[in-house]
Amino acid sequence: DAKTTQPPSMDCAEGRAANLPCNHSTISGNEYVYWYRQIHSQGPQYIIHGLKNNETNEMASLIITEDRKSSTLILPHATLRDTAVYYCIVRVVGGGADGLTFGKGTHLIIQP
Amino acid sequence: DTEVTQTPKHLVMGMTNKKSLKCEQHMGHRAMYWYKQKAKKPPELMFVYSYEKLSINESVPSRFSPECPNSSLLNLHLHALQPEDSALYLCASSQAVHGANVLTFGAGSRLTVL
Repeated sequence: DAKTTQPPSMDCAEGRAANLPCNHSTISGNEYVYWYRQIHSQGPQYIIHGLKNNETNEMASLIITEDRKSSTLILPHATLRDTAVYYCIVRVVGGGADGLTFGKGTHLIIQP
Repeated sequence: DTEVTQTPKHLVMGMTNKKSLKCEQHMGHRAMYWYKQKAKKPPELMFVYSYEKLSINESVPSRFSPECPNSSLLNLHLHALQPEDSALYLCASSQAVHGANVLTFGAGSRLTVL
């Protein structure tokens, strides 16, 4: 899997949008961008994924730059429960059951 | 049912004990995974089962022995562990399809080796 670079930590005020960046400058054309998060002492939770186009679901939006070398996860109205480690992962399409390789992630702290 | 259930939640064992961790899912997923996570570190892949056959072993020591009795169950048998094996053990499952392959994780089993 291609490597990703994320800031180690970020703060965001409750109720504001949290924008988490991820750099994946060596991504290949056949690799998805996935975002997972892990709340303290729980298992990782899938958030969203995308290939080329921007994506939105009930949890978040994913903005992928046109050259696909970076992306931003947006939590539109952050709450205290969004405090977690957020992992950006790139993985080849069609890889089947080969698992995910986690980097160090970003520790997002939502401040009241 | 959209969950992966892991038991026990907590396990304390001595270095000479034999114990097992259990993982169960009823989502019809055909791939199951074991990850190990040390404190303040990201999860690390240990094993992958695809259609009940071991497909990936990330050079895990033989004191960890995985087993997939059927498509819904995954076990991790533990024997002669070391204190440094103390960690959170996470199980996950996925549909094992080509294309996007979203993993669903359990809450983990926290293992302490004395």
